[in-house]
Amino acid sequence: GIQVEQSPPDLILQEGANSTLRCNFSDSVNNLQWFHQNPWGQLINLFYIPSGTKQNGRLSATTVATERYSLLYISSSQTTDSGVYFCAVGIYNQGGKLIFGQGTELSVKP
Amino acid sequence: DTAVSQTPKYLVTQMGNDKSIKCEQNLGHDTMYWYKQDSKKFLKIMFSYNNKELIINETVPNRFSPKSPDKAHLNLHINSLELGDSAVYFCASSPSGGGGTEAFFGQGTRLTVV
Repeated sequence: GIQVEQSPPDLILQEGANSTLRCNFSDSVNNLQWFHQNPWGQLINLFYIPSGTKQNGRLSATTVATERYSLLYISSSQTTDSGVYFCAVGIYNQGGKLIFGQGTELSVKP
Repeated sequence: DTAVSQTPKYLVTQMGNDKSIKCEQNLGHDTMYWYKQDSKKFLKIMFSYNNKELIINETVPNRFSPKSPDKAHLNLHINSLELGDSAVYFCASSPSGGGGTEAFFGQGTRLTVV
């Protein structure tokens, strides 16, 4: 089955710093989503981005489907950005299921 | 308005008991899912239902039985609970089960079996 690998596994930032999280996947996908799991455990949708580039405030994401990777950029990080960031991919005709990466745990220090 | 809601948020129970988790979505989506997040935070699909019909059963033990009374609801019943069932269970929904559509998750149910 498809493999999803995220890097780095852990990241510690000083408030105000920028960061890039990476997601590699091993096969063609028709769905790619980025989620933030906050310290209370909620999974928050950040981007639905099977291809192209999107921006939402301080966050932006780029997926290069032909090269099988996606990047999540966090600029001017804030303590509220702390948590685990997951990349998840979906494949056509597999019941809509998402295959998750192992996540990047981000800690932003004041 | 909560798009995907699960109850209860926390569930503590003894080994051998039977318990249910309820999920409702008000997004008008056709497809609903159950995912399990283990102690290492790894998320994995358990079941997928499309318009009340089971689409995916990812080799989940028979003690887990999903039930979808209508396309807005997907409940998870667990029989004879074991210590290893302790995890966070997430319900999710998406417009269709063909893939290529955005999925939304509930707030999770933290199940602790003692």
